[in-house]
Amino acid sequence: EAGVTQFPSHSVIEKGQTVTLRCDPISGHDNLYWYRRVMGKEIKFLLHFVKESKQDESGMPNNRFLAERTGGTYSTLKVQPAELEDSGVYFCASSRPLGPTQYFGPGTRLTVL
Amino acid sequence: GQQVMQIPQYQHVQEGEDFTTYCNSSTTLSNIQWYKQRPGGHPVFLIQLVKSGEVKKQKRLTFQFGEAKKNSSLHITATQTTDVGTYFCAGPGGTSYGKLTFGQGTILTVHP
Repeated sequence: EAGVTQFPSHSVIEKGQTVTLRCDPISGHDNLYWYRRVMGKEIKFLLHFVKESKQDESGMPNNRFLAERTGGTYSTLKVQPAELEDSGVYFCASSRPLGPTQYFGPGTRLTVL
Repeated sequence: GQQVMQIPQYQHVQEGEDFTTYCNSSTTLSNIQWYKQRPGGHPVFLIQLVKSGEVKKQKRLTFQFGEAKKNSSLHITATQTTDVGTYFCAGPGGTSYGKLTFGQGTILTVHP
């Protein structure tokens, strides 16, 4: 079974630019989550999809962040315009419909200069 | 909101020594999960505890869930260099069944 994949692995952009992160969950996993870890701090929840619907987006920092999961397969997380404090590692995770285990992807390291 | 505190933040041990990390929640948890993140890697699920007072073992790792379901611990016996990494506890984050609230993590370094 292929794991969760994320693209790109690294992204370096300037403040004010736009970046789109992609996550491909494990096939058959209805639940898809986005998390962010700022250096040295805890992993923070951003949002949760069940199939194509947003179940919980309470962790999204502000309206500069937009997540989509059209068709209930892969998901994108767009940051527009990026700010310095958006730097960190963005993890995507997926899980089976009722399973507790969340399988994390390798993450995208975003650096905003 | 719910907070999950984890201590210590760092732990340096000699290979062969034991290691323990502690997790405390500001609210009662329905369950608690533990994850390990190797340097440069991503969090990997280790275990979930559900019952009050539950103790589970995985080889040299022992996980406990407190009687009040507000605290948990992970104990590693006779650490090895392969144990290095950051250990996170995580609890359900509010009403959303999938959301996890993570502790800050304990960074374990094992000196050979």
